[in-house]
Amino acid sequence: DAGVIQSPRHEVTEMGQEVTLRCKPISGHNSLFWYRQTMMRGLELLIYFNNNVPIDDSGMPEDRFSAKMPNASFSTLKIQPSEPRDSAVYFCASSSTSGSGQFFGPGTRLTVL
Amino acid sequence: DAKTTQPPSMDCAEGRAANLPCNHSTISGNEYVYWYRQIHSQGPQYIIHGLKNNETNEMASLIITEDRKSSTLILPHATLRDTAVYYCIVRNDYKLSFGAGTTVTVRA
Repeated sequence: DAGVIQSPRHEVTEMGQEVTLRCKPISGHNSLFWYRQTMMRGLELLIYFNNNVPIDDSGMPEDRFSAKMPNASFSTLKIQPSEPRDSAVYFCASSSTSGSGQFFGPGTRLTVL
Repeated sequence: DAKTTQPPSMDCAEGRAANLPCNHSTISGNEYVYWYRQIHSQGPQYIIHGLKNNETNEMASLIITEDRKSSTLILPHATLRDTAVYYCIVRNDYKLSFGAGTTVTVRA
């Protein structure tokens, strides 16, 4: 079974550039989550979608961050413009229901110079 | 969600059982106990969860005390590949709040 797929796995960009991270959840899962992990703050939930609808975006740091889920098999997290403090590992996770175990992708390691 | 307390680190011998404790004294009746682990440079991996009964799957066993104020994750035969950070999380909705977890090092 294919797990959660994320791309790219690594991204290096310069400050001010737009960054788009992509996620394909496990087929049949209707809940999708974006997390960010840094040494200082640990793992933080950024946004949660249920049936493609954003339910909780209270963790999105600021307006520079946006997330979309146009269909059940694809989601994007966009940062525009990117800043060095956005450097982190971004994880996407999906679950079959909002309360069941979440299955995480391998993450995207973002470095903003 | 209720807070959890875990030891920052522990060592375990390869082939022996690893018993990972977690305190969650403020847990409420509808909150589940979840365990995840994160192996270096990988995404967190779901291990097991339970409400009040003990649970077992192919990865581990979860023992929850009768008062539900603490739990223990048991890895029956630890291998070097079980070296990871283990997170104990209490939740009753979609949110997973990851703390610092326990860094488990399995030694040959």
